[in-house]
Amino acid sequence: AQTVTQSQPEMSVQEAETVTLSCTYDTSESDYYLFWYKQPPSRQMILVIRQEAYKQQNATENRFSVNFQKAAKSFSLKISDSQLGDAAMYFCAHYMDSNYQLIWGAGTKLIIKP
Amino acid sequence: KAGVTQTPRYLIKTRGQQVTLSCSPISGHRSVSWYQQTPGQGLQFLFEYFSETQRNKGNFPGRFSGRQFSNSRSEMNVSTLELGDSALYLCASSRDRGRDEAFFGQGTRLTVV
Repeated sequence: AQTVTQSQPEMSVQEAETVTLSCTYDTSESDYYLFWYKQPPSRQMILVIRQEAYKQQNATENRFSVNFQKAAKSFSLKISDSQLGDAAMYFCAHYMDSNYQLIWGAGTKLIIKP
Repeated sequence: KAGVTQTPRYLIKTRGQQVTLSCSPISGHRSVSWYQQTPGQGLQFLFEYFSETQRNKGNFPGRFSGRQFSNSRSEMNVSTLELGDSALYLCASSRDRGRDEAFFGQGTRLTVV
């Protein structure tokens, strides 16, 4: 069965510093997709970054990058130069075409200290 | 272009009543998914529709149902409401499948009293 685990319920970081959020997943499929979504207090879920499992190159979006370790089933998110606007809940999610659903981790609350 | 629109934003219902939530996807998106978000259970998949067909349903009782119309708009219905149905219900739309970026609405906050 698909599972996604985020072991850090809460993380805090000083503004302008770098923080890494952890995510591990379990799947028996070889073709799948991984996502990090951000949910600010306004509660609208926003895509941060997307990774295709068959691509070895780690995805990057401006200050956001991932460390995708397929063999270890690990998918961590690195946020560089943290900004106050990065404060939110961050969810890791896994998707397979075979069941048309996102499987979510429990989320990590990111606090940015000014 | 307009984002995903969910109506209503807030809803208060009494146990035993039924409720219908609406979701209008981004124009051109044919896949609509619904998720329930609660503090205790996190985000759980309810169902996914594509071109009016339900392709998958999550592990929820039969009181939860949904449908999709020919214009891709979707509704979900919960009958005989229970206190445990209080949650944020999120709708997401994608072009074809969830492997693409899913765009979310702001959700409907349902409170059952």
